[in-house]
Amino acid sequence: QSALTQPASVSGSPGQSITISCTGTSSDVGGYNYVSWYQQHPGKAPKVMIYDVSNRPSGVSNRFSGSKSGNTASLTISGLQAEDEADYFCGSYVTSTTFWVFGGGTKLTVL
Amino acid sequence: QVQLVQSGAEVKKPGASVKVSCKDSGYIFTGNYIHWVRQAPGQGLEWMGWINSNSGGTSYSPRFQGRVTMTMDTSISTAYMELSRLRSDDTAVYYCAMVLSGTYYFDYWGQGILVTVSS
Repeated sequence: QSALTQPASVSGSPGQSITISCTGTSSDVGGYNYVSWYQQHPGKAPKVMIYDVSNRPSGVSNRFSGSKSGNTASLTISGLQAEDEADYFCGSYVTSTTFWVFGGGTKLTVL
Repeated sequence: QVQLVQSGAEVKKPGASVKVSCKDSGYIFTGNYIHWVRQAPGQGLEWMGWINSNSGGTSYSPRFQGRVTMTMDTSISTAYMELSRLRSDDTAVYYCAMVLSGTYYFDYWGQGILVTVSS
């Protein structure tokens, strides 16, 4: 199973919005709405920010939003803050299997 | 408060095996899926497989099939992952993560265990 494709890095200034893409296939991202996004600060475990394409867990800021079109999912962070600087990973269930797959990760830099 | 607490760092020689543990202190293992995910230094997340805490059923990534074994001891709410025939590129932080039954995302994570493979 190939990893999902994410840009290696994105950057933005405080207050701006950024979008991170996650491209897969019709077997994973495009299969069902089981795409999730994780934030990881250095030396820490990942934390789920978005699940099932566009749902936010309790406690996650509404500045984080998710969407999907075809085989590409996207994470948008609006009103960038310094604490948003982290690595972001997408993940997806692989349909017709019992497998999961992750993206390679995107490093977000807040300028 | 759900917490997944993992065992300490390990150093192993190439060809050896490593067995790491993940203890659930929140008593939610039951009926849910314990996944193992690894992250090589400076790299992305790599899914390894899961074990169902009720049935003991497993599913392993084809990349690790034949080298990985996931087990559980429900009496002490602890999951284990054993990786054999270690190579230097198995050096990574190994996380356990829980997917609640009926959901499709990793809701709770352990703190991670650094496994170093070096001669």
